[in-house]
Amino acid sequence: SQKIEQNSEALNIQEGKTATLTCNYTNYSPAYLQWYRQDPGRGPVFLLLIRENEKEKRKERLKVTFDTTLKQSLFHITASQPADSATYLCAPHVGTSYGKLTFGQGTILTVHP
Amino acid sequence: NAGVTQTPKFQVLKTGQSMTLQCAQDMNHEYMSWYRQDPGMGLRLIHYSVGAGITDQGEVPNGYNVSRSTTEDFPLRLLSAAPSQTSVYFCASKRTSDADTQYFGPGTRLTVL
Repeated sequence: SQKIEQNSEALNIQEGKTATLTCNYTNYSPAYLQWYRQDPGRGPVFLLLIRENEKEKRKERLKVTFDTTLKQSLFHITASQPADSATYLCAPHVGTSYGKLTFGQGTILTVHP
Repeated sequence: NAGVTQTPKFQVLKTGQSMTLQCAQDMNHEYMSWYRQDPGMGLRLIHYSVGAGITDQGEVPNGYNVSRSTTEDFPLRLLSAAPSQTSVYFCASKRTSDADTQYFGPGTRLTVL
């Protein structure tokens, strides 16, 4: 069955460092993958989308990579700030024409001042 | 635009009671969906709809009913609440274009005693 794993339930880093979050998937090949941010008590908010034919995508301090051979996406936040503290969810597309997504369990990132 | 709105924000039910969680969006999105979020489980898809009059089951549909009579509204009905349905429920919407961003509501925290 399709499986998504976000390594590290929690990640703690110092302000200014680069945070790297991992999303691994098995038993399928998503055409694209999205990353979302979720703050406590709120709904997820879209950050980035990367397609299977793209190796890397950037948006300001965020960078996402997509390795279809390794079946893995990496999400990087450079020059991290305490305001980046949140739960980050990866969501690979599951193959319908309407863009149905399956979400990983999330990684809680805490950036310490 | 208000985006995706959900009511109520909090709800406590007794086992066996029924209720409807409301979801509305004002972005003219055709695709709407309901997720539940439990600790360590990520977001799991309950039901989704690709347009008025069309609904389909997601990963965990048992115990829930949906209907879509208008583009704007997508209510989720709990027929006979069970403690296992204690969770946070999120409604989301998107255009039916394949890779479009999903917009999430603020969530409803439901406790079933």
